[in-house]
Amino acid sequence: EVQLVQSGAEVKKPGATVKISCKVSGYTFTDEYIHWVQQAPGKGLEWMGLVDPADGEIIYAEKFRGRITMTADTSTDTAYMELSSLRSEDTAIYYCAKGAVADFRDDFYYYIDVWGKGTTVTVSS
Amino acid sequence: DIQLTQSPSFLSASVGDRVTITCRASQGISSYLAWYQQKPGKAPKLLIYAASTLQSGVPSRFSGSGSGTEFTLTISGLQPEDFATYYCQQLNSYPRTFGQGTKLEIK
Repeated sequence: EVQLVQSGAEVKKPGATVKISCKVSGYTFTDEYIHWVQQAPGKGLEWMGLVDPADGEIIYAEKFRGRITMTADTSTDTAYMELSSLRSEDTAIYYCAKGAVADFRDDFYYYIDVWGKGTTVTVSS
Repeated sequence: DIQLTQSPSFLSASVGDRVTITCRASQGISSYLAWYQQKPGKAPKLLIYAASTLQSGVPSRFSGSGSGTEFTLTISGLQPEDFATYYCQQLNSYPRTFGQGTKLEIK
């Protein structure tokens, strides 16, 4: 069974940095991308970026570029997302999620197939 | 960035109804679209990818269609467990944007 187990809830002060971990099991870590998604209270899903554990390639959403760092440790099958210069608007649940790809209709179709349970980050003075 | 607009944002329906949610992309995305279901306090769950391919284990009352800029998610014969929020996501280009969500409520 594929599982993504995220680290526990965090409370941070404005200006601080948070680092969330996402340990995977049940598949080969380097075979698929890891995505990170933000969900503010009562709001929708916002894609933050992804990391390719196979080669460390990273793609960030413009909104978070400059404050976000995604890494993947292949020795422990764990992905990390670090967000700095925290502000109240960063209060949210952060999900890691496993990417997938389907090869059919002479094309490759990417999607996200398994999600972690989420990590709640609260930014408050 | 590609914008995804879902309609309606809120939908009220009864058990047994057939409902359709639309997702419109600001530019063509071929069939690079997925649909997710999210229940309160839970992580999203994949329903459909490649616009119309049902994820393994998802009930056949869920179906997806469309290509280019207009897509639909249809639930035929609503069950009590289907009342949730539904999101589309485009995987044609970066950033991998989501629609704003459609909340399906019990009438």
